[in-house]
Amino acid sequence: EVQLVESGGGLVQPGGSLRLSCAASGFTFSTYWMSWVRQPPGKGLEWVANVKEDGSANYYVDSVNGRFTISRDNAKNSLYLQMNSLRAEDTAVYYCARDAGVPSLDSWGQGTLVIVSS
Amino acid sequence: EIVLTQSPGTLSLSPGERATLSCRASQSVTNNYLAWYQQKPGQAPRLLIYGASTRATGFPDRFSGSGSGTDFTLTISRLEPEDFAVYYCQRYGSSPPHTFGQGTKLEIK
Repeated sequence: EVQLVESGGGLVQPGGSLRLSCAASGFTFSTYWMSWVRQPPGKGLEWVANVKEDGSANYYVDSVNGRFTISRDNAKNSLYLQMNSLRAEDTAVYYCARDAGVPSLDSWGQGTLVIVSS
Repeated sequence: EIVLTQSPGTLSLSPGERATLSCRASQSVTNNYLAWYQQKPGQAPRLLIYGASTRATGFPDRFSGSGSGTDFTLTISRLEPEDFAVYYCQRYGSSPPHTFGQGTKLEIK
């Protein structure tokens, strides 16, 4: 069974940093692109970033480009999102999701809440 | 950059009725790489349809997807109580790789 478990969310002040982690199990992690998707409270879904199977390529939505960094450690079956220069508008539940080959996001974690507030 | 517009924003129907949800793209969706997700309160989204019309594992055949190019539809033939949720369409492509619609809330009338 595919499992994705996020951690690392919390309350952070504007301008601060936070690192999210996603632990993957139940599939061969190193053979899938992986994504982060966020959802502000009461609002819709926004794709944030993804990373290639071997970590050699990544893409970002314009609003986080230059502030967020996606990475992975295939030896640890883990995905990361380093978030710097955080703003109030980054407040959201952050989900990690598997990029399937179909293509779509076919498995999701339960999410971790990030609140950016003073 | 492609934009997906879902309509209606909210759909109020009764169990047993037929639901038709629309997703319109500002540009043609390459290879019909269009997916639908179901999200219930307090839960993560769940893949429902991919490739515009292929049902994901675990969903019954009352759910169907159709369309091509810029116009796509999710149909639920006879609503069950557990189908009331928010539905998002999503397109895969480039710049950015994934784009979501704003969602349609399907509520009990």
